[in-house]
Amino acid sequence: GAGVSQTPSNKVTEKGKYVELRCDPISGHTALYWYRQSLGQGPEFLIYFQGTGAADDSGLPNDRFFAVRPEGSVSTLKIQRTERGDSAVYLCASSLGLAGTEQFFGPGTRLTVL
Amino acid sequence: QKEVEQNSGPLSVPEGAIASLNCTYSDRVSQSFFWYRQYSGKSPELIMSIYSNGDKEDGRFTAQLNKASQYVSLLIRDSQPSDSATYLCAVNRGGTSYGKLTFGQGTILTVHP
Repeated sequence: GAGVSQTPSNKVTEKGKYVELRCDPISGHTALYWYRQSLGQGPEFLIYFQGTGAADDSGLPNDRFFAVRPEGSVSTLKIQRTERGDSAVYLCASSLGLAGTEQFFGPGTRLTVL
Repeated sequence: QKEVEQNSGPLSVPEGAIASLNCTYSDRVSQSFFWYRQYSGKSPELIMSIYSNGDKEDGRFTAQLNKASQYVSLLIRDSQPSDSATYLCAVNRGGTSYGKLTFGQGTILTVHP
């Protein structure tokens, strides 16, 4: 079956602009996660959803970052007033059933802020 | 102290040898442990999960967990050049952080013919 999909695969934007990154989880997976990964580092947790609600958003770095999952499936990560330090690969993962089980990652969105 | 620590490597082994990758974690209440493989320019791919003390084998891969020592390892038998990648250890603390995985920085493995 289809895996996690993310769009766009690459996004180049200018400092100060607004961006939206989309994630479509594996069909039937109820938990969805966002991470970001900088070069040479492991992924860093941002937020996760169990259904429609954000169960843990403790990893969001500041209030410029926001994520939604209005119908319990597709999620959008929104970044306002982008900064050069936001440049990274943004990874989405999903898991079947309760959070804490195996997470499967999408291909990621490479965000570059000029 | 980092929450999850891995030797960044690179670890170089000859084809056919056993590659041993190690990971330590700081939070004693951690409950679930995962190994991911990440090829350059690609996203992490889950290869093993382990939840209880002891060994878990899947094909050429064996994960070992020792909660008392806060240590988890991955053995790759009969290493192949296609195993060359970065291996990420991930730990789930459970409790109120039930969905959060904390990753190590990864160990770069090179298998040379």
